[in-house]
Amino acid sequence: GEDVEQSLFLSVREGDSSVINCTYTDSSSTYLYWYKQEPGAGLQLLTYIFSNMDMKQDQRLTVLLNKKDKHLSLRIADTQTGDSAIYFCAEIYSNDYKLSFGAGTTVTVRA
Amino acid sequence: DAGITQSPRHKVTETGTPVTLRCHQTENHRYMYWYRQDPGHGLRLIHYSYGVKDTDKGEVSDGYSVSRSKTEDFLLTLESATSSQTSVYFCAISEWDRSNYGYTFGSGTRLTVV
Repeated sequence: GEDVEQSLFLSVREGDSSVINCTYTDSSSTYLYWYKQEPGAGLQLLTYIFSNMDMKQDQRLTVLLNKKDKHLSLRIADTQTGDSAIYFCAEIYSNDYKLSFGAGTTVTVRA
Repeated sequence: DAGITQSPRHKVTETGTPVTLRCHQTENHRYMYWYRQDPGHGLRLIHYSYGVKDTDKGEVSDGYSVSRSKTEDFLLTLESATSSQTSVYFCAISEWDRSNYGYTFGSGTRLTVV
């Protein structure tokens, strides 16, 4: 997981947008992922993006990929209390079926 | 998650004892993985399997062994548990095809070594 870096904490007000950032090191990464983990639960796949894409939108979620800077971000619009969780960025390399995770960003939504 | 179960969900064991964690899937996926989750480290790969009897080491494999004698079961064994192996262990499955590009995770096993 050391090849993928994320800030550890984010606090956001309910109704605002959250932006979680991630940097990765391997330019040959094929897919990049965002997973969500609620307390006491496993990881839930939120969304993923192919490395040949710049953006992907899925309802309240927008993923932006800057390949030049190896930077991935997840924007959550209209953040709700149910969005409080740990969010993991992950990458996978070409022809390698192993996901490499960042340390996770703990998002706290305050009223 | 549906299709993948881990057992036990919680376990407390003593230092030096062997421990086996089980991952069972009903999805007939080829790939299975064991990760451990620790604060500040995210998830780190212990071992993975790409088929029956085909396994390989991940980045933190020391002190762990695995076995996969049939598609649906992937066992993780701590040969002689140590306090540093206190962690939450997650199993994951995947089948890399055009309709499936990610992992599905189990609910985790919380292991405490005292």
